[in-house]
Amino acid sequence: QVQLVQSGAEVKKPGASVKVSCKASGYSFSNYGVHWVRQAPGQRLEWMGWINADIGNTKYSQKFQDRITIIGDTSASTAYMELSSLRSEDTAVYYCARDLTYYMDVWGKGTTVTVSS
Amino acid sequence: SYELTQPLSVSVALGQTARITCGGNNIGSKNVHWYQQKPGQAPVLVIYRDSNRPSGIPERFSGSNSGNTATLTISRAQAGDEADYYCQVWDSSIVVFGGGTKLTV
Repeated sequence: QVQLVQSGAEVKKPGASVKVSCKASGYSFSNYGVHWVRQAPGQRLEWMGWINADIGNTKYSQKFQDRITIIGDTSASTAYMELSSLRSEDTAVYYCARDLTYYMDVWGKGTTVTVSS
Repeated sequence: SYELTQPLSVSVALGQTARITCGGNNIGSKNVHWYQQKPGQAPVLVIYRDSNRPSGIPERFSGSNSGNTATLTISRAQAGDEADYYCQVWDSSIVVFGGGTKLTV
C-alpha cells in the first residue's frame, strides 16, 4: 500500500540545521508531489512547501523561504526537507504528505524535531 | 494572503449531526479539502474537492461549499469522531490551512 516513512526524531541546538527524509513506497514517486507541513506543540498545521517530484520544481511558504530546501531523489523514492538557522520556535512535528493535485491524500507519521540549547 | 476561518470548537451530542464551517473570501470558487487529526496522530484526509470522500471514510462524513463558507458535516456523530478538523485550499500556488476546529462528542 502507499506509504511515506519518515526519518527519526532529532534534537538540535539553536543555529543548527536539520534534514528530514521521507521515503515513498507503493507508488511511482516521480508521478506525485510531496508537501511538508509542520505542527508546533498544541498549534495548527502549518504548510512549509512542496516539490513536484517529476520535474523537481519547488514552492516555499514565504515564512520559510530563506532557510528551507526541499529536494527529491527519484532513484531513492525519497524527499528531503532541510531547515537551517534553527530556533526554539522550530520545535515541532514535521510531516511529509503526498500531493494529489493540491491536497494531501497520504501522510507520513511525522518526525519530531526539538531545538534546545 | 488568503485566510481561512474556523470556529475553535464545536460540540455535538452522540448520534447527532455536527457541522464545522470554514470561512474564506469567495471560498465557493475554490476546492476545499478537510483533514481529521486525532491526538498524537498524523492528519487523515476525510473530504476532498468540497464533497468527495476517500475510500474508507464513512458516508457519515460529507462536505459542501458555496459563497463564503465551506461546511464539513458529520452525521450520527460517534465518540471516535472526536478530533481536530482542518480545512485547506490551494491559493496563489500555496497551501492554506484553516486554524482547526476541535470537535467534542
